[in-house]
Amino acid sequence: KAGVTQTPRYLIKTRGQQVTLSCSPISGHRSVSWYQQTPGQGLQFLFEYFSETQRNKGNFPGRFSGRQFSNSRSEMNVSTLELGDSALYLCASSQDGNTEAFFGQGTRLTVV
Amino acid sequence: QKEVEQDPGPLSVPEGAIVSLNCTYSNSAFQYFMWYRQYSRKGPELLMYTYSSGNKEDGRFTAQVDKSSKYISLFIRDSQPSDSATYLCAMMGTGNNRLAFGKGNQVVVIP
Repeated sequence: KAGVTQTPRYLIKTRGQQVTLSCSPISGHRSVSWYQQTPGQGLQFLFEYFSETQRNKGNFPGRFSGRQFSNSRSEMNVSTLELGDSALYLCASSQDGNTEAFFGQGTRLTVV
Repeated sequence: QKEVEQDPGPLSVPEGAIVSLNCTYSNSAFQYFMWYRQYSRKGPELLMYTYSSGNKEDGRFTAQVDKSSKYISLFIRDSQPSDSATYLCAMMGTGNNRLAFGKGNQVVVIP
């Protein structure tokens, strides 16, 4: 059974640009969550999608947005990038959001 | 007060020792408890998942949950150099769909 797939693995962007990250969940999983991981703050919840609807959102500015497609694949978008957005972005999938969550390898975003 | 407290200090142990990690939490709504292992430059890997107080064992790993004290632990028996990684505790409330993480402990098992 394939795991959670995130693309791309690495990204370098310039301040002010926007970026889109992609996540393909485990087959049959309908919940996809996104997290930001930094050395200072650790893992912080961004948002969770289930059946194409955002069910929960963390304390991040509106520059961070996401969506989920009918096949459960999800994308996360960050607009007007800032240096502080440099982080490892992780997505996790679970069957319904209340069971075990499995993470992808992450996308390492560097903003210069 | 942070929702989940995990002393982020590094931990070095000799091979074969027992590794003991723990987290405390303040949110009584947390009902699901997980431990993840994260190797450098990789995503977190789910090690243990439990939703009740008591012990759960899986091979060399034992997870303990004490809801009355709001305290969870992970024990690794007969530690191996391949166990060297960062260990993160995580928890979630029912219907919350959001994991709250501790800061993680970097564990080094010395051969």
